Amino acid sequence: KNEVEQSPQNLTAQEGEFITINCSYSVGISALHWLQQHPGGGIVSLFMLSSGKKKHGRLIATINIQEKHSSLHITASHPRDSAVYICATRAGGGADGLTFGKGTHLIIQP
Amino acid sequence: GAGVSQSPSNKVTEKGKDVELRCDPISGHTALYWYRQSLGQGLEFLIYFQGNSAPDKSGLPSDRFSAERTGGSVSTLTIQRTQQEDSAVYLCASSLWTYTGELFFGEGSRLTVL
Repeated sequence: KNEVEQSPQNLTAQEGEFITINCSYSVGISALHWLQQHPGGGIVSLFMLSSGKKKHGRLIATINIQEKHSSLHITASHPRDSAVYICATRAGGGADGLTFGKGTHLIIQP
Repeated sequence: GAGVSQSPSNKVTEKGKDVELRCDPISGHTALYWYRQSLGQGLEFLIYFQGNSAPDKSGLPSDRFSAERTGGSVSTLTIQRTQQEDSAVYLCASSLWTYTGELFFGEGSRLTVL
């Protein structure tokens, strides 16, 4: 069974700082998702990766398939980036349910 | 519709009652997923539909839980004889394709079992 580990669990940073959230998983996957959940809010899909790197605005996601590791970076962080960031992996071979990490609770202070 | 719609947004029920939760995915999305998030816990996969069939039911926690999808569109998640540990936010997501599609989540249905 795939195990998805995120670090750190909690992160508090000052506005403008460069943020990195890490995700490691234990078995081969077909895709990895980064999700964002605001307090009391719904979940938004930020990225879906199967290889390489993707960028959207101030967000960058990378994945290293050989090392079974992905990172989510936020440049020029802002208080509105405060949210829980969740890594989720999708296994291959017909098992399509996602396995979720426990999430990283990010707080950006002004 | 414009997004994934779930109803009810909040449901309070008594232990032992049955509840039905509804998910209306984005039009044309073939894949539909149910997850739940218990208070202070991470997300947990329940069941996945490809069209009307459910190839992966591995996450359903007990036989009190069932789900169906009709017409390749709306899905209902039914919990029979609810227990207090069923209290959670039940989230639905859909995607255009099964293995490579981006997920779009609904706002969730918050279930409280008294």
